Amino acid sequence: EAQVTQNPRYLITVTGKKLTVTCSQNMNHEYMSWYRQDPGLGLRQIYYSMNVEVTDKGDVPEGYKVSRKEKRNFPLILESPSPNQTSLYFCASSPGTARRNQPQHFGDGTRLSIL
Amino acid sequence: SQKIEQNSEALNIQEGKTATLTCNYTNYSPAYLQWYRQDPGRGPVFLLLIRENEKEKRKERLKVTFDTTLKQSLFHITASQPADSATYLCALPLGNSGYSTLTFGKGTMLLVSP
Repeated sequence: EAQVTQNPRYLITVTGKKLTVTCSQNMNHEYMSWYRQDPGLGLRQIYYSMNVEVTDKGDVPEGYKVSRKEKRNFPLILESPSPNQTSLYFCASSPGTARRNQPQHFGDGTRLSIL
Repeated sequence: SQKIEQNSEALNIQEGKTATLTCNYTNYSPAYLQWYRQDPGRGPVFLLLIRENEKEKRKERLKVTFDTTLKQSLFHITASQPADSATYLCALPLGNSGYSTLTFGKGTMLLVSP
């Protein structure tokens, strides 16, 4: 089954403790992206990747890192999490960039609480 | 600056009626527009894409229109059902990086009552 898998689904942690949210897709998609979703603010893009070893900042990249060493994986790293990063996070993938009119496939989300 | 606007107030309708949701955008001429459905706590799911040269697109009970002069897209669900209750997001290829990113509206919640 074609899917985007995120782990963990839920995480409660403390300020400053490094964490990684993994994202994996099995559709051989080139494009992958991370979003955060907050009440009243909607979906905001954090980082995106157009292919292996190619990443770029989205609208709200501060406090986050990403890497794209393999086509299928695109982990989101919070080196020193802070409470303002408490949010619902989504990973998405698509066959190509937005220029190619491709819909995005989303994971089920990771609900992150930082105390 | 480029902006996407969707009605932030929830739309409440009765089962069987047609729901109409609006997506307005400013300061841009996108080549296409997409609509997604999002259920609480789940990721958005792609529904329809309409290109700038298409006035209307249909899929089962869904219909999308795209008026590039008004800079507006309308999303219709005919014969609505309680199972259609969800938040609906429009998305456009906005941004400054060669159209590489899709920007989402904040979404409109639809509530269909029996």
